[in-house]
Amino acid sequence: EIVLTQSPGTLSLSPGERATLSCRASQSVTSSYLAWFQQKPGQAPRLLIYGASSRATGIPDRFSGSGSGTDFTLTISRLEPEDFAVYYCQQYGRSPQTFGQGTKVEIK
Amino acid sequence: QVQLVQSGAEVKKPGSSVKVSCKPSGGTLSSYAISWVRQAPGQGLEWMGAIIPIFGTENYAQKFQGRVTITADESTTTGYMELSSLRSDDTAVYYCAGGWGGGAFDIWGQGTMVTVSA
Repeated sequence: EIVLTQSPGTLSLSPGERATLSCRASQSVTSSYLAWFQQKPGQAPRLLIYGASSRATGIPDRFSGSGSGTDFTLTISRLEPEDFAVYYCQQYGRSPQTFGQGTKVEIK
Repeated sequence: QVQLVQSGAEVKKPGSSVKVSCKPSGGTLSSYAISWVRQAPGQGLEWMGAIIPIFGTENYAQKFQGRVTITADESTTTGYMELSSLRSDDTAVYYCAGGWGGGAFDIWGQGTMVTVSA
């Protein structure tokens, strides 16, 4: 199975700052079938990015995804108060689908 | 946009089974693959398996093989996940999630808390 390793585990930033989250895969991700999700406490995850770099419907353009192969990045250009949450990457190109362990973006 | 509505919270004894439903609202899931994802308290997301309702084909994570059964009612495209031989470490929130055409999970249910306790 493809293991996804996210770093850092926790990111402490202030509103307005830029956030860069990493997701590294143990094998190449098929056809860039890599997604990013945001999850807030008590809520279901929300799809942000699919296909490594395409924003899902209704997602602000401060969220962007990049990468291919085994290295992927989620960038939040300027953090808004509502962006403080946990972020997960997921590969859905090969079974079993797998998630990274998550990166928590917290207010500094 | 289709929304997913899951059945309510469950409390189960160790060794028993639980069946969670996932019903579409505002449309059908005929073009979706439905996955089940669980999240233990304070932990990350774990994919359990998936089904494509129009084909009836399932796919399971090896960890859950033999203990989980994912089905779908073709007429209503309601999805079901049954987990047997429950243990305390199966205590988690169970989500259904839909990916259009088998793609990324763009719709999610609200989650169903399953507590396994003697």
